[in-house]
Amino acid sequence: QQQVKQSPQSLIVQKGGISIINCAYENTAFDYFPWYQQFPGKGPALLIAIRPDVSEKKEGRFTISFNKSAKQFSLHIMDSQPGDSATYFCAALPYQGGKLIFGQGTELSVKP
Amino acid sequence: GAGVSQSPSNKVTEKGKDVELRCDPISGHTALYWYRQSLGQGLEFLIYFQGNSAPDKSGLPSDRFSAERTGGSVSTLTIQRTQQEDSAVYLCASSVFSGQGTGELFFGEGSRLTVL
Repeated sequence: QQQVKQSPQSLIVQKGGISIINCAYENTAFDYFPWYQQFPGKGPALLIAIRPDVSEKKEGRFTISFNKSAKQFSLHIMDSQPGDSATYFCAALPYQGGKLIFGQGTELSVKP
Repeated sequence: GAGVSQSPSNKVTEKGKDVELRCDPISGHTALYWYRQSLGQGLEFLIYFQGNSAPDKSGLPSDRFSAERTGGSVSTLTIQRTQQEDSAVYLCASSVFSGQGTGELFFGEGSRLTVL
């Protein structure tokens, strides 16, 4: 059974702080790990993604850290802003393609 | 249109009725997905279409659920004899293709289904 486990379920961070969301996967056949951001009433949208041949990827204030041996990856949001308040989903795609498997989601609230 | 379009945006139905949800993917996208999002829950995979290949139906929760994709474009998700536990937001997504190294799905805004 392919699964992606995400934590925490919800997160409250002060403006300017660092938000950290963690994910773990069970199947080593995954080889693409995107993060999606969803605002209320909207569909999820791709935020940032990483492949397992690198340990870190940074785009602006968003960084993915990837630990292949532990089968874990995390999203770090630096200098968190109220506009970052959204639900974040990690996901994993099997190397052979097909369906994208999502984590359970993390509802982030950044307080001003 | 520029994005994935879903209709209806909201649907209220009575228990036992059938419902159809429609998805218009981005033109040229060969892969199409249906996910379900229940209140406070994650994104539950339902079904995946890729080109002319047989669809991956492994996520459909029961035989009351079915989906088709006509002409490699528009898709319809049908739920027969709806139950209250079917209440959720049904999200459709499309992508250029789902091969190795890809994974960017473009989602619609979803169809919110409420079963009374």
